[in-house]
Amino acid sequence: DTGVSQDPRHKITKRGQNVTFRCDPISEHNRLYWYRQTLGQGPEFLTYFQNEAQLEKSRLLSDRFSAERPKGSFSTLEIQRTEQGDSAMYLCASSFWRNTGELFFGEGSRLTVL
Amino acid sequence: AQKVTQAQTEISVVEKEDVTLDCVYETRDTTYYLFWYKQPPSGELVFLIRRNSFDEQNEISGRYSWNFQKSTSSFNFTITASQVVDSAVYFCALSEFNTGNQFYFGTGTSLTVIP
Repeated sequence: DTGVSQDPRHKITKRGQNVTFRCDPISEHNRLYWYRQTLGQGPEFLTYFQNEAQLEKSRLLSDRFSAERPKGSFSTLEIQRTEQGDSAMYLCASSFWRNTGELFFGEGSRLTVL
Repeated sequence: AQKVTQAQTEISVVEKEDVTLDCVYETRDTTYYLFWYKQPPSGELVFLIRRNSFDEQNEISGRYSWNFQKSTSSFNFTITASQVVDSAVYFCALSEFNTGNQFYFGTGTSLTVIP
């Protein structure tokens, strides 16, 4: 399977704990995006990488969120001191370099904060 | 302001009926791209179509067709002879050439096709 893969698929944690999600994009894609989706809403942009450089970060993203893409391949999204409001589906997507390229999404990582 | 509006939250149709999903967008860019994605119950967003702002030609792909009208800033999606497998949430999205790093998604339309 050469699609976008995300791990874990489901994560249940207690408030205040840290969680980390991993995304492996399609190998030839140099752009990687993180989105968040809550029930009944469309995906909401969080951040974006081109290769290893994080080029854009949503103003909605608090300081508790950090993302990395150390070698321009896989990416991690860490949430520190989780809050119940962080409960959502975290989606990773990748695309080819051109702005016009469509996004290819993974199946998402569902986070539940108790 | 919402850049992409999908006014229909939920639609139910009986199998074999035609259904149109509406999408209205807002942008000041002259170059932009519009997309439709399908999100089945499994959760993965599946790309359906991309149109650029310079190509208003309607497109048909099997039972799917898209009507792009710049005059009304709309990019509507029609499913002909709907099937149960079409049941999903459908999202319209906008990408602006000058700020192409993020895609703006609508809130989605949940389609249920009743057998």
